[in-house]
Amino acid sequence: AQSVTQLGSHVSVSEGALVLLRCNYSSSVPPYLFWYVQYPNQGLQLLLKYTSAATLVKGINGFEAEFKKSETSFHLTKPSAHMSDAAEYFCALSGGGTSYGKLTFGQGTILTVHP
Amino acid sequence: GAGVSQSPSNKVTEKGKDVELRCDPISGHTALYWYRQSLGQGLEFLIYFQGNSAPDKSGLPSDRFSAERTGGSVSTLTIQRTQQEDSAVYLCASSLSGTTADTQYFGPGTRLTVL
Repeated sequence: AQSVTQLGSHVSVSEGALVLLRCNYSSSVPPYLFWYVQYPNQGLQLLLKYTSAATLVKGINGFEAEFKKSETSFHLTKPSAHMSDAAEYFCALSGGGTSYGKLTFGQGTILTVHP
Repeated sequence: GAGVSQSPSNKVTEKGKDVELRCDPISGHTALYWYRQSLGQGLEFLIYFQGNSAPDKSGLPSDRFSAERTGGSVSTLTIQRTQQEDSAVYLCASSLSGTTADTQYFGPGTRLTVL
């Protein structure tokens, strides 16, 4: 079975500080991995995705993530947090044992940014 | 262009009533997904449609839930005899072809409250 674990349901950082949101996955096949962001009362917006090309993936709003097969991880980082980054972030794995893009999500991490 | 739209944005109903939730995918997208987001269960896959193929209904939690997609475009999720545990945000997503590497674009969701 495939699964996604996000370590830390809440992360708090100061504005300008490094953002690190952790995601580990379990998959029996080479994974496709996604990070989505959800602002209050909105749907999910794609930040970035890994589809077996470069292991370091750059996304929107200055975020990036590195796929590490040996650690089964896909952590999300941003060098300098902005107030506008406050939101909930979801890591997701595509496939779920099927041949199509069924997403299996982690439990989400709420990011708070302090002035 | 227009994104995924969902209606209504909010629905309050009484226990035992039936409800219908609507999703309009991005034009030209052949794949359509429904997910449910609730406090206790996080984000869960419900059902997948691809073109004219039979849908994958494996995520539907009970036989009170059904969905259809007419003409390969608009989809309706129906919940019969609603229960309080059905209270959640129902998210619809569409993608170009439904492959595991495809990006899914999400609508803003319908917040269902069952009293």
